[in-house]
Amino acid sequence: GAGVSQSPSNKVTEKGKDVELRCDPISGHTALYWYRQSLGQGLEFLIYFQGNSAPDKSGLPSDRFSAERTGGSVSTLTIQRTQQEDSAVYLCASSPRATNDEQFFGPGTRLTVL
Amino acid sequence: SQKIEQNSEALNIQEGKTATLTCNYTNYSPAYLQWYRQDPGRGPVFLLLIRENEKEKRKERLKVTFDTTLKQSLFHITASQPADSATYLCAPDTGRRALTFGSGTRLQVQP
Repeated sequence: GAGVSQSPSNKVTEKGKDVELRCDPISGHTALYWYRQSLGQGLEFLIYFQGNSAPDKSGLPSDRFSAERTGGSVSTLTIQRTQQEDSAVYLCASSPRATNDEQFFGPGTRLTVL
Repeated sequence: SQKIEQNSEALNIQEGKTATLTCNYTNYSPAYLQWYRQDPGRGPVFLLLIRENEKEKRKERLKVTFDTTLKQSLFHITASQPADSATYLCAPDTGRRALTFGSGTRLQVQP
């Protein structure tokens, strides 16, 4: 079946612009996660959605970052007023439940802020 | 604070040998630990999950151990192949729903 998809695969933007990154999780998965991976670094948790519960936003690095998940499916990560330090690969993952299930990752969106 | 450590140096081994990667954690006791593989330009792919009451788990050529006394997990690939070359990430449970990953160890299997 279809895995997690993300779009765009690459995004180049100018400092100060807003960007939106999209994630389509696996159908039926109730949990959705966003991570960030900077060059040569490990994965950094950003935000987590589970069903209709309030999202866990504890990993968002600043108030320029926000995310929403519509209809319990597609999610959009928005970065306002992008900065060069926002350049990274943004990875989305989904899992069937919120417990210790394996997570299924998308291919990521490579964001470059000039 | 919780800390996860993986050897940041790349591991280079010859084809056919057993690769052993280490994941150490400090200041907490995870209920389980996951291992993922990541290839360049791709998202991580789940390999194995081991729980605190399991000493060892196997899947084909893969074996994971979990030593709660040493606070360490070892990940073994037997009869390694060049196709096993990738970065391997451990993710011990930290009590939150999202995973907290180690920085990963890059494995290079030479033909």
